[in-house]
Amino acid sequence: GEKVEQHESTLSVREGDSAVINCTYTDTASSYFPWYKQEAGKSLHFVIDIRSNVDRKQSQRLTVLLDKKAKRFSLHITATQPEDSAIYFCAASTGGYKVVFGSGTRLLVSP
Amino acid sequence: EAAVTQSPRNKVTVTGGNVTLSCRQTNSHNYMYWYRQDTGHGLRLIHYSYGAGNLQIGDVPDGYKATRTTQEDFFLLLELASPSQTSLYFCASSDWGSGDTQYFGPGTRLLVL
Repeated sequence: GEKVEQHESTLSVREGDSAVINCTYTDTASSYFPWYKQEAGKSLHFVIDIRSNVDRKQSQRLTVLLDKKAKRFSLHITATQPEDSAIYFCAASTGGYKVVFGSGTRLLVSP
Repeated sequence: EAAVTQSPRNKVTVTGGNVTLSCRQTNSHNYMYWYRQDTGHGLRLIHYSYGAGNLQIGDVPDGYKATRTTQEDFFLLLELASPSQTSLYFCASSDWGSGDTQYFGPGTRLLVL
């Protein structure tokens, strides 16, 4: 079955810098790639997604890039702010009923 | 914003005990999911359902049963709890399956002594 790997368990940046979180997946049939954010002590909420018919999607300071040949996708956060500090989960789906999540990347934005 | 609630929020039980975790969503979503979150593993899917009376097995189903009694309500049952089931459990719902945004509940923290 599908496996999703997040390569950085922790990422530390200075406020105002950019952050990049990388994920890889194994199933070439995967077509939907959402990202979720979990702030400390809270639940997860959706932040952005990308589908396999495009290779880039932007929403304000967030950009997702998808490289289907390399089976890799990434979340880019520009002009980071302290409130960006959280655990970010990438996920992938082949379009069936379920989504497979990565293990999470803890992003720390320091002043 | 979709609303997903879970109860209890915290639960302590002993090895061999029975535990039922409850989840309710009020947005008429078709799909509901139970996940467990453990450090180093991210979220792992236990069971899911695409409608009342339906149940699908997830990736880590051993030791868990689930039941979807209505479109709104999805229950996770641990009939003989073990310490390995100590975890943070999340319920989620979505309207039309994996290609749609999932809305998560606040989580239930379970400790099995």
